[in-house]
This record gives sequence, C-alpha cells and structure tokens, in this order.
Amino acid sequence: GAGVSQSPRYKVAKRGQDVALRCDPISGHVSLFWYQQALGQGPEFLTYFQNEAQLDKSGLPSDRFFAERPEGSVSTLKIQRTQQEDSAVYLCASSLSTVFRDTHNSPLHFGNGTRLTVT
Amino acid sequence: TQLLEQSPQFLSIQEGENLTVYCNSSSVFSSLQWYRQEPGEGPVLLVTVVTGGEVKKLKRLTFQFGDARKDSSLHITAAQPGDTGLYLCAGAPWGGGADGLTFGKGTHLIIQP
Repeated sequence: GAGVSQSPRYKVAKRGQDVALRCDPISGHVSLFWYQQALGQGPEFLTYFQNEAQLDKSGLPSDRFFAERPEGSVSTLKIQRTQQEDSAVYLCASSLSTVFRDTHNSPLHFGNGTRLTVT
Repeated sequence: TQLLEQSPQFLSIQEGENLTVYCNSSSVFSSLQWYRQEPGEGPVLLVTVVTGGEVKKLKRLTFQFGDARKDSSLHITAAQPGDTGLYLCAGAPWGGGADGLTFGKGTHLIIQP
C-alpha cells in the first residue's frame, strides 16, 4: 500500500502488561514520528527518527516508553508495565523531509493509529 | 513549549452556514498546517501556510496565516455535512530543526443536515 500502516488497530492490555505497536512508514520516507492522542484531544509529540537515528525523544512520558527503528524503516513503540493513563490512540507519521522548515514541501502522512486500552 | 490554542473547541451548525475557527499562539512558527481528522483515522493534511499574511483557498475552505506568523484561521463557506470532523492546526518550529509539529487540541465541527 501507499500509505502509513499501523498494527494492531486495537490493543487491549491488562495493567502491567507490555505492549508493542508497529508502524510501517511510506517507503523512502526519512522522517518518522510517534504521537499520542488522548480522547478528544490533539496529537502530542512523543519521539522522532531520522532514518534509524532517534533524534528526539523528549515527548516520551516516562522510561516505560521505548521506540526503535533499527533499519530506518519499520518502527516499534514499546510500552512496558502499561498503566491506565497510557490508554490513547498512538499515531505514527512519516515524511520525506528531514527539516521542518521544508514541511510545506513534504507534509506528514499519518497512519490510522493504534487504539490502546489498558484495563 | 510552543502552545497552539484552538477555538471554538466544539461547533455545531446547520448545513449552509458559514463558520470560522481560530488557531492562536504567542510563539512564532515557520509554517502552520491544518489537518482534518475523522473518527478512527489519522489526520489528513489540508493545507500548509508559510508566508505571514498568506491566504490559501481549497474549494469552500479559506485559510489565512497571520502577519506575525503566530495565528491562523480557517473559514468554511456554506458548510456541508461532509465537512464534519476534527480540525487540527499544527505549527512547525521557527528556525527549522527536527522537532515534531506542535498540535492544537482541535475544533470538533458538526454540520447538521
């Protein structure tokens, strides 16, 4: 497919379980972002990759959150020992651009997200 | 932290009416984007405005970037039920860099037939 693909679409986890969320960006896109979107809110930045390098992880809410993109393509967001406050939609986006000054030439393409519910 | 305030937070109007939603910040952005998000889907880019004072039109939607590059508005003429959705503005940090876009909390728009 031509778009950003995320899996699973839905994930229900019991509190304390670990989860792994996958993102397949558009082929050739250098930049990859993870966002967290709470119900009724706008997306909040979690982390950014340029190819395989994680250049910014300032938005990760705690050390239970870990993201990787080992080969510069597929990325995985892992949440350890999930808590109820982790319940949200996790969105992945990719872009050709490496510098946001050029965003108008290379916009973000979002996946449909993974809805995580922690019970 | 660059915050974007969107207003109104919720808006429900009748088909055929006009509306304007706003996106305001105390920070300067190099560019500002508007996205539309439908339930169960990711945001989809509508437009990017780059130059202060810039106006862009997309059919019945008119987007404006403030002269000082701190605010933006989206005006919809003759709204239709298909315009229903969450409208998000997002700013790119001034000076570039690899930081993620800063999103507003969105305006939930409902157009009633």
